[in-house]
Amino acid sequence: QVKLVESGGGLVRPGGSLKLSCRGSGFTFSDYYLSWVRQAPGKRPEWLAYTNAGGEVQVYADSVKGRFTVSRDNANKLFFLEMNDLEVGDTAVYHCARNDGSLHHWGRGTLVTVSS
Amino acid sequence: EIVLTQSPGTLSLSPGERATLSCRASQSITSGYLAWYQQRPGQPPRIVIFDASNRATGIPARFSASGSGTDFTLTISSLEPEDYGVYYCQQYHRSNTFGGGTRVE
Repeated sequence: QVKLVESGGGLVRPGGSLKLSCRGSGFTFSDYYLSWVRQAPGKRPEWLAYTNAGGEVQVYADSVKGRFTVSRDNANKLFFLEMNDLEVGDTAVYHCARNDGSLHHWGRGTLVTVSS
Repeated sequence: EIVLTQSPGTLSLSPGERATLSCRASQSITSGYLAWYQQRPGQPPRIVIFDASNRATGIPARFSASGSGTDFTLTISSLEPEDYGVYYCQQYHRSNTFGGGTRVE
C-alpha cells in the first residue's frame, strides 16, 4: 500500500535550518506530484509547497517562499523540505503527502520545534 | 487567497444521528476542486471526499457531499463511533487552503 514516512524533525533555535526527508513506497514514486503540509498544535493544516513528478517545478505558499525549498530524488524515492531562517511560528508537525490534486495519502509527520 | 469558512465550529451528536457540515469559500471554486478530510487525534488528515462529491477509496456510503461555487456540504447520514473527529475542507482550485475545521463530538 502507499506509504510515506517523514524524518529529520527536531528542536532548532530561531534563525536555524533543518532539512526534512520523506520516503515513499507502495507506488510509482516518479509518477506523482508531492506536497509538504504542516499543522501546528490545535490549528488547521497549512499547505507549504509541492513539486511536480520530475522535480522541475516547485510551487510555494507565500508564507514560506524564499525560506523553504522542496526537492526530490526519484531514484531513491525521497522528497525533501529544506527550511532556513526558522521562526517560532514554524513549530508544527510536518507531513508529506501525495498530491493527486487533493491529498489522498499522507505520512504521519515529523515534529519540528523552533525554540530558544 | 481563497478563504474557507466552516460551520458550525462544533457539532454535538449521538451515534445514529445525521451530521451536516458546511464549507463556504470567499471566491467561487468553479472547478469543483474541493476536498473534505477527517482527522482523529494523533493522526494525519484522511481524505473523505475529493472533487466536491466523490468518495475516496474505502469511505463508506454514509458519507456524501455536494455543492458548487462558494457553498459546499458534507453529510454523514448516520454517525458511527469511528466518525467522530475534526473535519476540514480544502480547496485546490487556486493554490491550496484549508478551512478552520468542524469538530464532530
